[in-house]
Amino acid sequence: EDKVVQSPLSLVVHEGDTVTLNCSYEVTNFRSLLWYKQEKKAPTFLFMLTSSGIEKKSGRLSSILDKKELFSILNITATQTGDSAVYLCAVDGSGTYKYIFGTGTRLKVLA
Amino acid sequence: NAGVTQTPKFQVLKTGQSMTLQCAQDMNHNSMYWYRQDPGMGLRLIYYSASEGTTDKGEVPNGYNVSRLNKREFSLRLESAAPSQTSVYFCASSEVVVRAGELFFGEGSRLTVL
Repeated sequence: EDKVVQSPLSLVVHEGDTVTLNCSYEVTNFRSLLWYKQEKKAPTFLFMLTSSGIEKKSGRLSSILDKKELFSILNITATQTGDSAVYLCAVDGSGTYKYIFGTGTRLKVLA
Repeated sequence: NAGVTQTPKFQVLKTGQSMTLQCAQDMNHNSMYWYRQDPGMGLRLIYYSASEGTTDKGEVPNGYNVSRLNKREFSLRLESAAPSQTSVYFCASSEVVVRAGELFFGEGSRLTVL
């Protein structure tokens, strides 16, 4: 059965710190990995990583995919209080177009 | 652009009652999904529909049924609600059959079963 594990479960940092969030997966037929940020309501899309695109960057956020070791990391540099949220990772890994999510990492950034 | 629209946004049910959550998307996506989110559990897939006319079970399908009415609409039905089904439900769509694509979410439906 496909499995997605995120770590740590929660993290508290101060503004200006750099954080690294982890997502490891065990799937039968990897197709893509998604990162989302969730504040109060619906998750908002951050990055999609596939075999043809293993590194993405947008402002202070960046992500890499290691297909050999079966994990991805999400980096946030110079954190701000607005980065406080739950960060979710999802994998389409069965070749059947279903996305399975990890439990998420709750990040709190203190002023 | 509406994107993914879910109704209702809030619902309170008594144990044993039935109800249907409605979802519609206007992005011409092939694939649609129903997730539930409980505290500390992330998003768990209930059912999904890779394309019009097909539906498949996800991780937690027990107690639910779905209908892919057409390409736009995907409904989730609780035939006999139980307190364990108290949760926030998210519908999502994606263009994932043709190419790898991200999920677009609705705003969520908060369901409480007493």
